[in-house]
Amino acid sequence: DAKTTQPPSMDCAEGRAANLPCNHSTISGNEYVYWYRQIHSQGPQYIIHGLKNNETNEMASLIITEDRKSSTLILPHATLRDTAVYYCIVLILPQFYFGTGTSLTVIP
Amino acid sequence: KAGVTQTPRYLIKTRGQQVTLSCSPISGHRSVSWYQQTPGQGLQFLFEYFSETQRNKGNFPGRFSGRQFSNSRSEMNVSTLELGDSALYLCASSLGLTVVYEQYFGPGTRLTVT
Repeated sequence: DAKTTQPPSMDCAEGRAANLPCNHSTISGNEYVYWYRQIHSQGPQYIIHGLKNNETNEMASLIITEDRKSSTLILPHATLRDTAVYYCIVLILPQFYFGTGTSLTVIP
Repeated sequence: KAGVTQTPRYLIKTRGQQVTLSCSPISGHRSVSWYQQTPGQGLQFLFEYFSETQRNKGNFPGRFSGRQFSNSRSEMNVSTLELGDSALYLCASSLGLTVVYEQYFGPGTRLTVT
């Protein structure tokens, strides 16, 4: 039973914002949402995480809907190096559940 | 600071054999988690060790086991290998339990079972 649902692939023009959606309609109020990305042949890399409020760091912003059933990862100015598979993950104690990921291709 | 290292990077084994994979966490990190990544199932959590104790465990059979040493280095063992165990095995370390701290992943060990 999938805990998160993501589109399999997306394209984004270089320099534009990339908005990656994730549905997690079954999580409860104290379960965190994490985003990691995996560039080909490397291990996943942490991007951001949140619970209820929107979060922002030097890499991205995370927007979580008020009902917490979905979230959006925003890369404000995508570059070619952002081409990767992006995983939306929920922490349902005691373990992390990875989604199937969205393959983002940034186009020059 | 050196990242997470995993050895070996590539491994080929035969059905029925057993295998041991090694993970050295980032210096100062006390938690090590293991994941299996396959094209069909994606990334799946195996287990997490903290201070030499298994703290969390995913839904894998008992053939998959692990341990952590006093220097935080960890090993994962798979016994009686099956073809379906072919996968990329990823290790991740964090300062403390992963419910609080972000994880840093190693490059993985690619296991092929023939």
